[in-house]
Amino acid sequence: DAKTTQPNSMESNEEEPVHLPCNHSTISGTDYIHWYRQLPSQGPEYVIHGLTSNVNNRMASLAIAEDRKSSTLILHRATLRDAAVYYCILRKYGYSSASKIIFGSGTRLSIRP
Amino acid sequence: SAVISQKPSRDICQRGTSLTIQCQVDSQVTMMFWYRQQPGQSLTLIATANQGSEATYESGFVIDKFPISRPNLTFSTLTVSNMSPEDSSIYLCSVENPSSYEQYFGPGTRLTVT
Repeated sequence: DAKTTQPNSMESNEEEPVHLPCNHSTISGTDYIHWYRQLPSQGPEYVIHGLTSNVNNRMASLAIAEDRKSSTLILHRATLRDAAVYYCILRKYGYSSASKIIFGSGTRLSIRP
Repeated sequence: SAVISQKPSRDICQRGTSLTIQCQVDSQVTMMFWYRQQPGQSLTLIATANQGSEATYESGFVIDKFPISRPNLTFSTLTVSNMSPEDSSIYLCSVENPSSYEQYFGPGTRLTVT
């Protein structure tokens, strides 16, 4: 199964952009790249996902490398509420009970006021 | 989106006993997932539960230890059997939107085994 590699931790200043990297060098053509984040004492929440093209939503942007072996989650203007563990996940296309959803170790993002 | 509730939110149990965790979703879903998150760690998938069929367990997890029921499209239970202190974790259920592949997670059940 394709796995992801993320830095253990990152720190950023409030109101500045944050770029969270993820490497997935063994990604297959049917793997979607998903990002979730987990705030303290909560279950993970969906942030964004994509396949090949860059994606934007109200929470963040996802930049996907042309070879798809890496991606970057971009928070355009970090707030203190963005302090969380961010997980980069590969999810196979297709709906199968045997599909695996593998969480990596994640990146713990701290925001300095 | 889906709203998921879990019961209990936390419990302290004695070694050798069993605990059943309930997961309720506010809409009908085909697949539900159960995860374990040990202290300070990432999430590990325990099993996938489809309504009307046996759950599919991941490597390292067995039905005798973690029996799962899925009686309808909005409800599932996970039982942690014959508990030991190593089972102390947060247990989370989730569902997936089959169109968008977004997963929605419950708040988790914090289990402490003494």
